[in-house]
Amino acid sequence: RKEVEQDPGPFNVPEGATVAFNCTYSNSASQSFFWYRQDCRKEPKLLMSVYSSGNEDGRFTAQLNRASQYISLLIRDSKLSDSATYLCAVNDGSNYQLIWGAGTKLIIKP
Amino acid sequence: DVKVTQSSRYLVKRTGEKVFLECVQDMDHENMFWYRQDPGLGLRLIYFSYDVKMKEKGDIPEGYSVSREKKERFSLILESASTNQTSMYLCASSLHDYNEQFFGPGTRLTVL
Repeated sequence: RKEVEQDPGPFNVPEGATVAFNCTYSNSASQSFFWYRQDCRKEPKLLMSVYSSGNEDGRFTAQLNRASQYISLLIRDSKLSDSATYLCAVNDGSNYQLIWGAGTKLIIKP
Repeated sequence: DVKVTQSSRYLVKRTGEKVFLECVQDMDHENMFWYRQDPGLGLRLIYFSYDVKMKEKGDIPEGYSVSREKKERFSLILESASTNQTSMYLCASSLHDYNEQFFGPGTRLTVL
């Protein structure tokens, strides 16, 4: 079975710290990769796509390592409002589906 | 901005009732998806559709059916609701293959 794995956490991090998550995937044919943020009892919302060259959006940096088959998300200068569950999603490689990780829970403490 | 709407935020039904969950997207997306999300189990795909009148089973289709008569609308049907179908139901859409998915706000269904 094609899998996407994440550390469930929770990651308890002080405000202002840097935190990083990884997400491993098993299908080497996967072509698109995403990070989503999900607040409690809300829908997942796209945080950023992950490109081969890596990409950055403000305090957030996403990277792809095809050789080791993982994607990463780095959050710098973390804010209380960053507290959420972060889901990674990886294209199945053969059809329309995204394969979802179970999510990593992040708690930012004052 | 992409907008995906779902017909109800909260729904309470009785065992054995037929339940319709509706989803509408306004961005002419090709693909639409129905998931359920339960604590500890993550997002699980029930059905998806890549074109009008086309549907494909996901990982957990048992007890569900779907309908896509128009491109913008994708309905999930519980033919005879059971208590183990109590869950958060999320609809999503994507423009094409390999694209990101955008979610509706979800329907929290309770079956008594």
